[in-house]
Amino acid sequence: GQNIDQPTEMTATEGAIVQINCTYQTSGFNGLFWYQQHAGEAPTFLSYNVLDGLEEKGRFSSFLSRSKGYSYLLLKELQMKDSASYLCVLLMDTGRRALTFGSGTRLQVQP
Amino acid sequence: GAVVSQHPSRVICKSGTSVKIECRSLDFQATTMFWYRQFPKQSLMLMATSNEGSKATYEQGVEKDKFLINHASLTLSTLTVTSAHPEDSSFYICSAPRTGSYNSPLHFGNGTRLTVT
Repeated sequence: GQNIDQPTEMTATEGAIVQINCTYQTSGFNGLFWYQQHAGEAPTFLSYNVLDGLEEKGRFSSFLSRSKGYSYLLLKELQMKDSASYLCVLLMDTGRRALTFGSGTRLQVQP
Repeated sequence: GAVVSQHPSRVICKSGTSVKIECRSLDFQATTMFWYRQFPKQSLMLMATSNEGSKATYEQGVEKDKFLINHASLTLSTLTVTSAHPEDSSFYICSAPRTGSYNSPLHFGNGTRLTVT
């Protein structure tokens, strides 16, 4: 199987920076996605890492280290609307293109 | 705008009845669609892979006869929850890959909140 571990909840302050970590144990995967999901809504795509390193996209950055089985999502200049769940997701190397979701990290941004 | 349309967004049904959920790809063809289920405060769990023109592939533990999937066209997949029971109450989400690239992100429908009374 593919165990994906994320902190359950995090709290941060508006305007600050927060890092959400994700560790996984898997025999092989094509890439790692980060999705954002607001309560009762569908997930929306944030970022995708295939190679080791940092991918930057505006206020959001994602990092992957395959050798360490580790990824993180970095959110800068936090806004109240960033309060949501953040899902660490693996695209497994099965050819089926199905995603395997972590349990998600619920981020609460406070004023 | 939305590239995957899911309908209905909410449905309440009585125990024992069946409910059909539709998932449509807008302005692109989807030979494959994925159906997920999400219980409160839990992650999305893949239920089945819908394949146009052939049988769906179900994940372990998902009852094929209870969750009927039909992918009759390149833009439409349906999930029918048959003889629904309260424990089937959940958030059901479909998704489809938009382009031919294996690594392209999946696009999700807005989900269907099913409540079985």
